Amino acid sequence: DAGVTQSPTHLIKTRGQQVTLRCSPKSGHDTVSWYQQALGQGPQFIFQYYEEEERQRGNFPDRFSGHQFPNYSSELNVNALLLGDSALYLCASRPLGQYNYGYTFGSGTRLTVV
Amino acid sequence: AQKITQTQPGMFVQEKEAVTLDCTYDTSDQSYGLFWYKQPSSGEMIFLIYQGSYDEQNATEGRYSLNFQKARKSANLVISASQLGDSAMYFCAMREGRLLTGGGNKLTFGTGTQLKVEL
Repeated sequence: DAGVTQSPTHLIKTRGQQVTLRCSPKSGHDTVSWYQQALGQGPQFIFQYYEEEERQRGNFPDRFSGHQFPNYSSELNVNALLLGDSALYLCASRPLGQYNYGYTFGSGTRLTVV
Repeated sequence: AQKITQTQPGMFVQEKEAVTLDCTYDTSDQSYGLFWYKQPSSGEMIFLIYQGSYDEQNATEGRYSLNFQKARKSANLVISASQLGDSAMYFCAMREGRLLTGGGNKLTFGTGTQLKVEL
């Protein structure tokens, strides 16, 4: 049973460009969250999607946007990239109604902005 | 606002010994959940253990146990019989507020503790 799958694993972009990261949740999971983890820091919550709608958002600018598809997969889009956007981007999923265990995380996409 | 504090940037432990990783939290909510995750160098966050704020007994999962002291707002992770494969970054995290259906329930993470298991 595949867990959370993220693509690509690594990405290098130039400042000002736009990037799209992709996530397939674990089978049976319908809620997807995105986190940004800067080097040496804990993950920071970006937003969460359920039923194709953004349900909760962290303290990130509008340059960060997302989407969830009917098959529960999700995309994270970042526009006008800044050097400070360089980080590991983690996707996490969980099944609705099962709260007493942890979210399942993917291995992340490491984004480098140059 | 929620806050998770992990005061140990790095810890060393001998193989087969037990180790405690500290975590304190701050929240005004009565209902919350506490998690511990392991992050090896590969980057994936691996769920270890969960403790609900209303759980009366400390959570245990194999070699992992959570020492939950609600009055002191601490949720320390205890790893027994350490193994070389336990070397990794460990994060404490909290789910805010009451359980929400259909979304919400973000996790707030601490800054992590780097654990190194030595022979």
